[in-house]
Amino acid sequence: DIQMTQSPSSLSASVGDRLTITCRASQTINNYLNWYQQKPGTAPKLLIYAASSLKTGVPPRFNGSGSGTDFTLTINSLQPEDFATYYCQQSHSSPLTFGGGTKVDIK
Amino acid sequence: QVQLRESGPGLVKPSQTLSLTCSVSGASIRTDDNYWSWIRQPPGKGLEWIGYIYYRGHTYFNPSLKSRITMSLDTSKNQVSLILSSVTAADTAVYYCARTPPASLGDWFDPWGQGTLVTVSS
Repeated sequence: DIQMTQSPSSLSASVGDRLTITCRASQTINNYLNWYQQKPGTAPKLLIYAASSLKTGVPPRFNGSGSGTDFTLTINSLQPEDFATYYCQQSHSSPLTFGGGTKVDIK
Repeated sequence: QVQLRESGPGLVKPSQTLSLTCSVSGASIRTDDNYWSWIRQPPGKGLEWIGYIYYRGHTYFNPSLKSRITMSLDTSKNQVSLILSSVTAADTAVYYCARTPPASLGDWFDPWGQGTLVTVSS
């Protein structure tokens, strides 16, 4: 199985901050990498697919980049509604696997 | 737009069989070219892909669960079903269904159902 490692596992930030979350795959996955946002008590929502493609309707302050084994999710000018847990997910190989999550809370 | 809703028993006894249903609206599971996925999340933990079923009935499962999983389509009701046998406390989780659209860029989950909590306990 491909292991997905996210860092950090949690962070504190303020409204207006720019933050970066990293996701590393245990082997190359080309650009088969997706990002989700999950708020407490709700289902995850797709933000970015294929490493850098923004889902329609997702604010452009969310940006995904990377290829191969190293990927980043950047949130520019953090908004109050962005405090949540973020997960990466690879679809290069079965079984599809997720990172352990990065919880973003208010500083 | 596509909407999904999971349903099933909230409590299952150890060693018994868990059966969940995902009702789909806004898309036809019989004709639309989608995969229908199941994902679970133990309380306070991360996400685990269980498997998916293609609209033509082909299934793809996580090897860690493969021996205990059955997935099927009920096209008359536009529903997707998951059966997990011989459950243990480790199967306690929120179970989500989600659509996986066919794409050359990979497999992602969008949208998701609201999830249903299943507790395995005697």
